[in-house]
Amino acid sequence: DAGVIQSPRHEVTEMGQEVTLRCKPISGHNSLFWYRQTMMRGLELLIYFNNNVPIDDSGMPEDRFSAKMPNASFSTLKIQPSEPRDSAVYFCASSPGPLHEKLFFGSGTQLSVL
Amino acid sequence: AQTVTQSQPEMSVQEAETVTLSCTYDTSESDYYLFWYKQPPSRQMILVIRQEAYKQQNATENRFSVNFQKAAKSFSLKISDSQLGDAAMYFCAYRSEGTGTASKLTFGTGTRLQVTL
Repeated sequence: DAGVIQSPRHEVTEMGQEVTLRCKPISGHNSLFWYRQTMMRGLELLIYFNNNVPIDDSGMPEDRFSAKMPNASFSTLKIQPSEPRDSAVYFCASSPGPLHEKLFFGSGTQLSVL
Repeated sequence: AQTVTQSQPEMSVQEAETVTLSCTYDTSESDYYLFWYKQPPSRQMILVIRQEAYKQQNATENRFSVNFQKAAKSFSLKISDSQLGDAAMYFCAYRSEGTGTASKLTFGTGTRLQVTL
């Protein structure tokens, strides 16, 4: 299995532009998580899906952030408009199910907003 | 809400020696999971070891072992026979046993481990 696949690995954009981050979870995994990592705040959960349905989006910073999971094999995290304070590493992780304690992480997307 | 605290921003160990990374957490729950994740420069988060709170026996994985003190809410990681490849950021994490919003991992701020020759 290729593991959790995220794209792009690096993204540089200008303030005000739309950014879309992509994630392909491990096949058969029913739970998907988006995390953000910054030096100041560490790893924060942004949103969690189970069976393609958002269960907890309380970590989404504000309305500029949105996430979708149109099917079991694909999820996106969109920022519109982007701001310099959104610069961070964004991780996607998947799990076999909500009762499964183990998360499998992708390699992350390094986002820089200038 | 649960919190996880790692009080050591950086640690250093000589190759072949043993090092212990500290982690404390705060929770009112009785059943939960605890984890140590390793993040090397490649950024990938790699699960090192996990512990179920209902188990009294400390988890071990080869050179990695934990000292789980449930009453003290302490969960330290011991790395024996340290190797250069162990150099990384180490994150302690907590997860409730429940589903829904309880399924999320709460991370500590991390400890950067350096391994010297």
